Amino acid sequence: GAVVSQHPSWVICKSGTSVKIECRSLDFQATTMFWYRQFPKQSLMLMATSNEGSKATYEQGVEKDKFLINHASLTLSTLTVTSAHPEDSSFYICSARTSGASSYNEQFFGPGTRLTVL
Amino acid sequence: KQEVTQIPAALSVPEGENLVLNCSFTDSAIYNLQWFRQDPGKGLTSLLLIQSSQREQTSGRLNASLDKSSGRSTLYIAASQPGDSATYLCAVRGGAGNMLTFGGGTRLMVKP
Repeated sequence: GAVVSQHPSWVICKSGTSVKIECRSLDFQATTMFWYRQFPKQSLMLMATSNEGSKATYEQGVEKDKFLINHASLTLSTLTVTSAHPEDSSFYICSARTSGASSYNEQFFGPGTRLTVL
Repeated sequence: KQEVTQIPAALSVPEGENLVLNCSFTDSAIYNLQWFRQDPGKGLTSLLLIQSSQREQTSGRLNASLDKSSGRSTLYIAASQPGDSATYLCAVRGGAGNMLTFGGGTRLMVKP
């Protein structure tokens, strides 16, 4: 299957700082990338959907000014958690879907990034 | 709004047993359904993808079935092994945004 990478795999930061997480599709072009958040022992919660070259679409309850998403190319999307606070500590997972409008396109997931805000 | 439910939430079995994980969804208008595996602190690994026109998919010891009209899917794991211990997530794709909706997962423990 296609490979999606995330960097960093884990990060610890002080409260009030900003953290950037990168998501890359390594061997395919992804017009659409997704960002999920997962709390311990819970399922994935979709935060936002980003299409290359356009603004991200955020799910209800997700602050777009706090979670900045940029999808500048067909292989790279970034999530920046601005002015992070301890409640932002979570496991963030990105996903990429292969190009094209087909409903048969599979979605591939990155290994996740563990964010801990002190 | 699509809702996906997985039963049981947790399961512990001795090695060698055959087992079935269940997934149900409320809106049968789906494009496809995926089963994923997630190890602790890791991302998701896609196990099987079933298109809405298909009834089942098989990969090694795994078999997934889909009954779209009744809103159900099952993941059958044959001859379970300790290495199968993980959380198994079911997700359906559908809706206006062609989005994936996840179930809560089943945490499986296979004891040697």
